[in-house]
Amino acid sequence: DSGVTQTPKHLITATGQRVTLRCSPRSGDLSVYWYQQSLDQGLQFLIQYYNGEERAKGNILERFSAQQFPDLHSELNLSSLELGDSALYFCASTRDSRAPNTEAFFGQGTRLTVV
Amino acid sequence: AQKVTQAQTEISVVEKEDVTLDCVYETRDTTYYLFWYKQPPSGELVFLIRRNSFDEQNEISGRYSWNFQKSTSSFNFTITASQVVDSAVYFCALMDNDMRFGAGTRLTVKP
Repeated sequence: DSGVTQTPKHLITATGQRVTLRCSPRSGDLSVYWYQQSLDQGLQFLIQYYNGEERAKGNILERFSAQQFPDLHSELNLSSLELGDSALYFCASTRDSRAPNTEAFFGQGTRLTVV
Repeated sequence: AQKVTQAQTEISVVEKEDVTLDCVYETRDTTYYLFWYKQPPSGELVFLIRRNSFDEQNEISGRYSWNFQKSTSSFNFTITASQVVDSAVYFCALMDNDMRFGAGTRLTVKP
């Protein structure tokens, strides 16, 4: 158990819909990263938050947004869903915002299926 | 349950040395995928390789090579002639219905 909690574990929804994925980082970790994992593209970094503020942005679509709340949990919002958005979405947390020169602890992911 | 073990927490080498990062996995599934990722100081994960469970052919890409052995459930990663820019945390991961990562190995390459 990494200490990072992601909910829900599985999600099935229709095209055009909107979903929210949730991540609770490890206790004491201030930084949260979101990744999208698909078989053909591997794991892609989406966005990072540190202590409530956006810190880095990767390959995140405009239809997607995220935020980190005062209690440090984070939500990833996916809207106008398309079939190609079907993937595993991971959250990871680290102690601080710099390199994870320490380990990044990953949640087990949310499997999103868009039908 | 799936499990990915990277027993080496930290490795330190001097530039130009070869280094092998170990990865041992457990799964009950016959179809699965194995991955290696690099996490440089910038923080994002960089995809290095994906292997499916039916393809045991070893692969070489430049200074990187991977040795997949189903008999020992291992998927080891070797960097030859290491360079300072190889310094990073490297993650091995297993995917079937879920994705599990190893804890990572922090590689430091000293000049």
